[in-house]
Amino acid sequence: AQTVTQSQPEMSVQEAETVTLSCTYDTSENNYYLFWYKQPPSRQMILVIRQEAYKQQNATENRFSVNFQKAAKSFSLKISDSQLGDTAMYFCAMPDRGSTLGRLYFGRGTQLTVWP
Amino acid sequence: DVKVTQSSRYLVKRTGEKVFLECVQDMDHENMFWYRQDPGLGLRLIYFSYDVKMKEKGDIPEGYSVSREKKERFSLILESASTNQTSMYLCASTAVQDRYGYTFGSGTRLTVV
Repeated sequence: AQTVTQSQPEMSVQEAETVTLSCTYDTSENNYYLFWYKQPPSRQMILVIRQEAYKQQNATENRFSVNFQKAAKSFSLKISDSQLGDTAMYFCAMPDRGSTLGRLYFGRGTQLTVWP
Repeated sequence: DVKVTQSSRYLVKRTGEKVFLECVQDMDHENMFWYRQDPGLGLRLIYFSYDVKMKEKGDIPEGYSVSREKKERFSLILESASTNQTSMYLCASTAVQDRYGYTFGSGTRLTVV
């Protein structure tokens, strides 16, 4: 089974600042996907960003971007201009190797708090 | 607005009770999943289903079973609830043509006393 490691259980950042959440993973595949999900206090999990391993360009979605280091198996999420609404639990995830059914492995999560 | 609906947001049950957690999706998705979420452990897969009446065990199936009699509904069953099953349960669905396009429900927080 793949492993996804998030080493920061909690982080905090002041509004308008930039914060980076870390994620490392282990896989023997060459082509795969990686995901960051957000779970706000409402508990609704939302996809933040998706990266395909064969694409060298780092994915970006508005204020969210990733730093994908394939050789280092690192996939960090950078949030720029942090907003109060970014307060949430963030999960890094990747698909099960060889699965055609879409099951994901999730990291343990990082609780991000944005304070005024 | 497409949805995955979990029937209960909060549930309190007694030890030994049989518990049903219901999940319904309106997107005609083939794949459905039940995850358990615990602090410090992230999300762990209990069971998933890729078609009506088809199911596969995930990483932590012990103490659980599932039922998928209709495409839109995926039920998680705790045959005899125990206190160590107190947790948040998340349902999700995806389509075959976009198997990583997860839509999640809002979760059921189950407390077994």
